[in-house]
Amino acid sequence: SQTIHQWPATLVQPVGSPLSLECTVEGTSNPNLYWYRQAAGRGLQLLFYSVGIGQISSEVPQNLSASRPQDRQFILSSKKLLLSDSGFYLCASWTGYGYTFGSGTRLTVV
Amino acid sequence: KNEVEQSPQNLTAQEGEFITINCSYSVGISALHWLQQHPGGGIVSLFMLSSGKKKHGRLIATINIQEKHSSLHITASHPRDSAVYICAGLYGGATNKLIFGTGTLLAVQP
Repeated sequence: SQTIHQWPATLVQPVGSPLSLECTVEGTSNPNLYWYRQAAGRGLQLLFYSVGIGQISSEVPQNLSASRPQDRQFILSSKKLLLSDSGFYLCASWTGYGYTFGSGTRLTVV
Repeated sequence: KNEVEQSPQNLTAQEGEFITINCSYSVGISALHWLQQHPGGGIVSLFMLSSGKKKHGRLIATINIQEKHSSLHITASHPRDSAVYICAGLYGGATNKLIFGTGTLLAVQP
């Protein structure tokens, strides 16, 4: 069965600092990978998805970027965090049998 | 516009009660996920269904495709069922992305 490792679980970062969140998938190959974000009081919203190595699509304009350097590795980054980047970030994978979710990262930008 | 709407937002029940959470979704969504999120914890997929009914232990999920409506039922509720329950619609096409509802916060009191 699939497992997603996502870290860190919580993160407090100052405004203007860089960000790197990593997600790795075990138990499958060539999955679709996703980064979702939940802002306060709202549902999770898709930020980026990837159908393969080096292939990244963005759903919404933002201060963030994503990369997929290996088949089972998905990274979310920012060069300079904004207060509005605070939220709950969730990595997920899809293989056609269903979705698997990481444990999420709660980011607070101060 | 792809939407998923959930109700109620908050639900308090006494131990042993039968609980129902509802989810309505818009055109373009081919399947529904029901997810569970414990406070501070990650997200666990409970069900994915595109027709009919699924049962796992005390949890039952149903979907009516014509009415674009799904329900999650919990029989003989227990305090350990306290969590946020989220429905998410699978929007197919190239992305297979999820459109999330805002969640239902369930508190089961002993």
